[in-house]
Amino acid sequence: TQLLEQSPQFLSIQEGENLTVYCNSSSVFSSLQWYRQEPGEGPVLLVTVVTGGEVKKLKRLTFQFGDARKDSSLHITAAQTGDTGLYLCAFDPGRRALTFGSGTRLQVQP
Amino acid sequence: DSGVTQTPKHLITATGQRVTLRCSPRSGDLSVYWYQQSLDQGLQFLIHYYNGEERAKGNILERFSAQQFPDLHSELNLSSLELGDSALYFCASSVGLAGARYEQYFGPGTRLTVT
Repeated sequence: TQLLEQSPQFLSIQEGENLTVYCNSSSVFSSLQWYRQEPGEGPVLLVTVVTGGEVKKLKRLTFQFGDARKDSSLHITAAQTGDTGLYLCAFDPGRRALTFGSGTRLQVQP
Repeated sequence: DSGVTQTPKHLITATGQRVTLRCSPRSGDLSVYWYQQSLDQGLQFLIHYYNGEERAKGNILERFSAQQFPDLHSELNLSSLELGDSALYFCASSVGLAGARYEQYFGPGTRLTVT
């Protein structure tokens, strides 16, 4: 069974700080997705990474897919209160629906 | 706004009861997915329909069933409800079949509380 482990589970930081969250597995993925879920809403896709070693940037967010395609990281530069939310990584195990990690809950304090 | 609508937003009911959750996908999307999100289990895939046909099942209990109608809206039926069924239920839609190849757009969810 392919499992996604996310760390840390919880993170509380001050506005302006940098942070990195991780998504790890023992399995190789053809692609990996990152979602952000804000309180009271559904998850929203941030990025899909496909190629080993790939780095994608979305404003202050930098996503990296591991060379072996078993892990991924999300780095946020100069966090803002609007970055508060649950960050989820996910992959498609071949059944056309997504399997999600347990998530990292980020709280950015003003 | 993802374009996916779910009703009701909140639902409070008693154990043993039956409820129906409704989802309207984005215009043009043929796939509808149902997910359950609870504190201890995280976000888990329940079932997938494509153009009216069931295509995949995940961790869906036998007490739960779903269908997708000709107008592509979908309903998730939960029966013989237990306290442990309390959770957020999300519907997502996508244009095509192939999982992560097509972005899934999530609705705002239905929060079910079983008392």
